[in-house]
Amino acid sequence: GDSVTQMEGPVTLSEEAFLTINCTYTATGYPSLFWYVQYPGEGLQLLLKATKADDKGSNKGFEATYRKETTSFHLEKGSVQVSDSAVYFCALIQGAQKLVFGQGTRLTINP
Amino acid sequence: ETGVTQTPRHLVMGMTNKKSLKCEQHLGHNAMYWYKQSAKKPLELMFVYSLEERVENNSVPSRFSPECPNSSHLFLHLHTLQPEDSALYLCASSQSASGGVRTDTQYFGPGTRLTVL
Repeated sequence: GDSVTQMEGPVTLSEEAFLTINCTYTATGYPSLFWYVQYPGEGLQLLLKATKADDKGSNKGFEATYRKETTSFHLEKGSVQVSDSAVYFCALIQGAQKLVFGQGTRLTINP
Repeated sequence: ETGVTQTPRHLVMGMTNKKSLKCEQHLGHNAMYWYKQSAKKPLELMFVYSLEERVENNSVPSRFSPECPNSSHLFLHLHTLQPEDSALYLCASSQSASGGVRTDTQYFGPGTRLTVL
């Protein structure tokens, strides 16, 4: 079945560092890909998405490019802030199927 | 209110209690979902309602009983739960295209943190 694999956390960085959180997927067709973020004590918020190969999703300084050849959707940000501390989830959905999540990556940004 | 709201935000209950979680979406969507988020486990889809009909039930124990009275409201009725049911329960909604096929973006509520003693 479809699956999503994220880099294991936790990830700890200093403010203004460059961030990459790796995400790879396994799917039989052409899924849509998502990054969701969960801030402490809150539900999941959609961060960005991409619906077809080579699409780049972007929001709040975060970017991710849908790479079909490497089945990846890595999340990047050039300069992180303390307020970016959260758990990040990569996910996919295909057609009418359910949303499949990775296990989540906890990110902590130190001042 | 905008988006997806859930009440209560926190709930503590004994194993013999009966309680209900409520979810309301203000997005005009016609599909709603219950997810369970436990520590150190991926999010688990529990139930899906599309056009107010249950379309998916992922082998969830009968002590969890969903109800979708209309496209804006979703309930999860709880009875005789176990301590291992303690988790964050998340509700989400999305918009189905015609023919009942769901489009892809799901919007989540803040969750109900459930503790079963």
